[in-house]
Amino acid sequence: EAGVTQSPTHLIKTRGQQATLRCSPISGHTSVYWYQQALGLGLQFLLWYDEGEERNRGNFPPRFSGRQFPNYSSELNVNALELEDSALYLCASSFGDRTGDEQYFGPGTRLTVT
Amino acid sequence: AQSVTQPDIHITVSEGASLELRCNYSYGATPYLFWYVQSPGQGLQLLLKYFSGDTLVQGIKGFEAEFKRSQSSFNLRKPSVHWSDAAEYFCAVQESSASKIIFGSGTRLSIRP
Repeated sequence: EAGVTQSPTHLIKTRGQQATLRCSPISGHTSVYWYQQALGLGLQFLLWYDEGEERNRGNFPPRFSGRQFPNYSSELNVNALELEDSALYLCASSFGDRTGDEQYFGPGTRLTVT
Repeated sequence: AQSVTQPDIHITVSEGASLELRCNYSYGATPYLFWYVQSPGQGLQLLLKYFSGDTLVQGIKGFEAEFKRSQSSFNLRKPSVHWSDAAEYFCAVQESSASKIIFGSGTRLSIRP
């Protein structure tokens, strides 16, 4: 069974540009989560999508947004990039509201803003 | 608000020695508890999880963790570490099966030959 996949592996952008990161969940999983792992800030929850809807959002500005498609894959968009957006962005998926299901993480997308 | 504290930023142990990584959480009820491991440049791999029942949980790679409600702790242990265990370890809490995970700040484990 294929795990969570993310693309691209690395992304280099210039300050002010937009970045789009993609995530494909494990087959059968309906929930997708996005986390940011920035140097010195640890792992922070960004967004949670389930069944195509945004369910929860972390403490991030509105320029961080995303969506979930009918096939449950997801896209994270970061507008007006700032230097501090440089981080590893991790996507995770789960079955959703089912007791005992943990989140399975992808390998991440390394975003570098110059 | 939920929080997770990993008091040790960096630990170095000798290969073959025992290991204990500390984790304390703050939450009103009993949350779901996890330990994840992250090797350099990699994503997160689940080592073990606690939802209910037996407070001693066995995980992969020979790791175990014990949930102690009275101490709000969920410490990770391994009786004998291997050089391949060198990585960053994250304790995490989740308030239900379908919600965000709150991670601790992580403990970096180095192995002394």
